[in-house]
Amino acid sequence: GAVVSQHPSRVICKSGTSVKIECRSLDFQATTMFWYRQFPKQSLMLMATSNEGSKATYEQGVEKDKFLINHASLTLSTLTVTSAHPEDSSFYICSAKSFLDPNTEAFFGQGTRLTVV
Amino acid sequence: GENVEQHPSTLSVQEGDSAVIKCTYSDSASNYFPWYKQELGKGPQLIIDIRSNVGEKKDQRIAVTLNKTAKHFSLHITETQPEDSAVYFCAAVYSGGYQKVTFGIGTKLQVIP
Repeated sequence: GAVVSQHPSRVICKSGTSVKIECRSLDFQATTMFWYRQFPKQSLMLMATSNEGSKATYEQGVEKDKFLINHASLTLSTLTVTSAHPEDSSFYICSAKSFLDPNTEAFFGQGTRLTVV
Repeated sequence: GENVEQHPSTLSVQEGDSAVIKCTYSDSASNYFPWYKQELGKGPQLIIDIRSNVGEKKDQRIAVTLNKTAKHFSLHITETQPEDSAVYFCAAVYSGGYQKVTFGIGTKLQVIP
């Protein structure tokens, strides 16, 4: 299957700093990327949907000024957690999909464990 | 919006036995139902999927069934092995828009050797 690479896999940052997470589709053009957050022993909750070259669509309750999403190319999307606080500590997962072939599945990255201290 | 319910939340089976996980969805517009396996500290991996024009699909020890009328779909794992131990998520995909994936709560499967 297609490969989606997410980096870093783990990051620890101090409260008040910003952290950037990258999501790359390695062997296909990802017209759409999705960003999820997963708290321990819980399901994946969609945070936002981003389409290449346009602004991301955020789910209700997700602060767009805190979770900045950029999808400037067909192979890269970034999520920046700004002014991170301990409650932002979570497992963040991206997935990528190509709408050039609408019957293809979305492929998931390996996730990023963010710990804010 | 779509709502996916999944049960049980935990499931323990003896090695070699079968495991069944059930899900229901609410939006009749959903037409794609993937199942994911997530191991600790990793992203979800697609293990099998089914589209709404099919009632059953099988891949070796894994099978999925779909009842569109009742809005039910199930995952069946036969001859379970310890390496099947993981968290399994069902999901429903809305056919319109950007095909947003709505996940169930997850089932933690433990296969006891």
